[in-house]
Amino acid sequence: DQQVKQNSPSLSVQEGRISILNCDYTNSMFDYFLWYKKYPAEGPTFLISISSIKDKNEDGRFTVFLNKSAKHLSLHIVPSQPGDSAVYFCAASERNTDKLIFGTGTRLQVFP
Amino acid sequence: GAVVSQHPSWVICKSGTSVKIECRSLDFQATTMFWYRQFPKQSLMLMATSNEGSKATYEQGVEKDKFLINHASLTLSTLTVTSAHPEDSSFYICSARDGWDTEAFFGQGTRLTVV
Repeated sequence: DQQVKQNSPSLSVQEGRISILNCDYTNSMFDYFLWYKKYPAEGPTFLISISSIKDKNEDGRFTVFLNKSAKHLSLHIVPSQPGDSAVYFCAASERNTDKLIFGTGTRLQVFP
Repeated sequence: GAVVSQHPSWVICKSGTSVKIECRSLDFQATTMFWYRQFPKQSLMLMATSNEGSKATYEQGVEKDKFLINHASLTLSTLTVTSAHPEDSSFYICSARDGWDTEAFFGQGTRLTVV
């Protein structure tokens, strides 16, 4: 049972354009969401997070949107840069628990 | 940000032997650490929650006798893969969080190859 899903396994975007990565979840008890970037053979690195009391959080080129009614979140990267090419994972956790549940990942490729 | 250090970064072992992987939180105390496993081109699958001073909590389908977890102190958790088999070959990653509403910090990961 995949509680966190990323339905697009890959995404290709031109440099300078916007990258939009999507994530859906099924567990209504999730109330904290995170996005991670991962390169092969390395641990994930944290990008941005959002609490369920918000619907948007912005940090530089990265913005995360949360739609609780649709159980959907998205990560926007603008402008996209070639260095953004990596696998992106969304993750979620329930209130008062430390455990993170990861999505299946989306491989982003930003080309010149 | 906080640092989680994982060692070794890669290891090759023979079938039937045991391998220990260490995960340390370098600048904060982690009462809870998490162990993940990643198969090629797949997501990070949570294996178990490591609790300092008590038994680990394993996710469904994870063999606790095969993947021994010891959380000896507030800064160290170890994962021992016992009687390693080639199908245990994978990328193992640990993580720790400061609280339920904060980001998780990840170790560098360990590439285990069982031959």
